[in-house]
Amino acid sequence: ETGVTQSPTHLIKTRGQQVTLRCSSQSGHNTVSWYQQALGQGPQFIFQYYREEENGRGNFPPRFSGLQFPNYSSELNVNALELDDSALYLCASSRDRGELETQYFGPGTRLLVL
Amino acid sequence: DQQVKQNSPSLSVQEGRISILNCDYTNSMFDYFLWYKKYPAEGPTFLISISSIKDKNEDGRFTVFLNKSAKHLSLHIVPSQPGDSAVYFCAASYAGGTSYGKLTFGQGTILTVHP
Repeated sequence: ETGVTQSPTHLIKTRGQQVTLRCSSQSGHNTVSWYQQALGQGPQFIFQYYREEENGRGNFPPRFSGLQFPNYSSELNVNALELDDSALYLCASSRDRGELETQYFGPGTRLLVL
Repeated sequence: DQQVKQNSPSLSVQEGRISILNCDYTNSMFDYFLWYKKYPAEGPTFLISISSIKDKNEDGRFTVFLNKSAKHLSLHIVPSQPGDSAVYFCAASYAGGTSYGKLTFGQGTILTVHP
């Protein structure tokens, strides 16, 4: 039990639509990172938020955006969905940015884009 | 550009024997390495880590070895147990600028331990 939850667990969208994925972290976890895991691949870093501000971004286009809220919840928004966006989306939270060993992952949201 | 590579997609081992999972990296800036275990329908869970100033770190049945000159690390599990069957990811990080806290993962190795 990591204390990190994600919703929904599964989602089906069509190309061109927009999607919002949600993550709820443990209380006191000021850092949340989002990862995309395509089938058969390892997770790829999308971006990280620290105290509600973006704090680093991977090689993802601007149509991937995020929000972090004071209540330790966060969102990943993806606009203009493409077929290649089909993947497992993971969020991970920790108290501080460099706390890798005590960073806890949620179970993920599996997104299918048709 | 795959900066962290796990070249073995799968590994099958008998219970009680040693499991050795390998990982190679190309970015010499990486200074911290972690291994994660992932069961289906769950997120990755942290297993063991090693800093670039060390060449070995041990935690119970798990030992990670780091060879900086070869840019190679390995995870040894001994003795292997059926409950160890999972996908194992190695990941790397470095504390530089906007990369602080960012993990770069390998593709994963599916470990199956047979009773």
